[in-house]
Amino acid sequence: SQQGEEDPQALSIQEGENATMNCSYKTSINNLQWYRQNSGRGLVHLILIRSNEREKHSGRLRVTLDTSKKSSSLLITASRAADTASYFCATADYGGATNKLIFGTGTLLAVQP
Amino acid sequence: DTAVSQTPKYLVTQMGNDKSIKCEQNLGHDTMYWYKQDSKKFLKIMFSYNNKELIINETVPNRFSPKSPDKAHLNLHINSLELGDSAVYFCASSLRRGGTDTQYFGPGTRLTVL
Repeated sequence: SQQGEEDPQALSIQEGENATMNCSYKTSINNLQWYRQNSGRGLVHLILIRSNEREKHSGRLRVTLDTSKKSSSLLITASRAADTASYFCATADYGGATNKLIFGTGTLLAVQP
Repeated sequence: DTAVSQTPKYLVTQMGNDKSIKCEQNLGHDTMYWYKQDSKKFLKIMFSYNNKELIINETVPNRFSPKSPDKAHLNLHINSLELGDSAVYFCASSLRRGGTDTQYFGPGTRLTVL
């Protein structure tokens, strides 16, 4: 299976702390994307990092990509209660031959106020 | 204005019934998708259309039939519903095919088969 795996499956932190989630995947990729899903809602795109990029920032989000290890991490700094959600990584295979994103298993983040 | 909308939001039905879920996007995107999310939150693609042409057809029972009347709409019809079809179904769209673009998701349709 090409499905990515995320680690940890669940993470509980206090407001103001940083949260780090990891994603591992199996195939060569064109890009890797991170999405957030609030309870009962659809997924919302957070950030896209291309295979030739190593790090990307967006507000309080920092994403790294290590293609040699086939892994990525998402860091949320100074977390807030509103960051409570499930976070998914998704990979697009190299060349886009399969026309699809493969989603990881997700990390459930709970930020305690 | 909602970018990707789905109706209905909730669907409760008996085994054996036939039901449809509708999806519309107003983003001007060429590609639309149907995903199924199970109780463990695992999200799996089912179908994708690009400009009304079917480009992804995963291993899905043929009781599931997508239909795209135009590139802004992608509907999902399910025949002879089974208990295992209970899940949340998400519609999504992207500017282009290929998995290289951001995907925009609808709010989901929670299907419960009794």
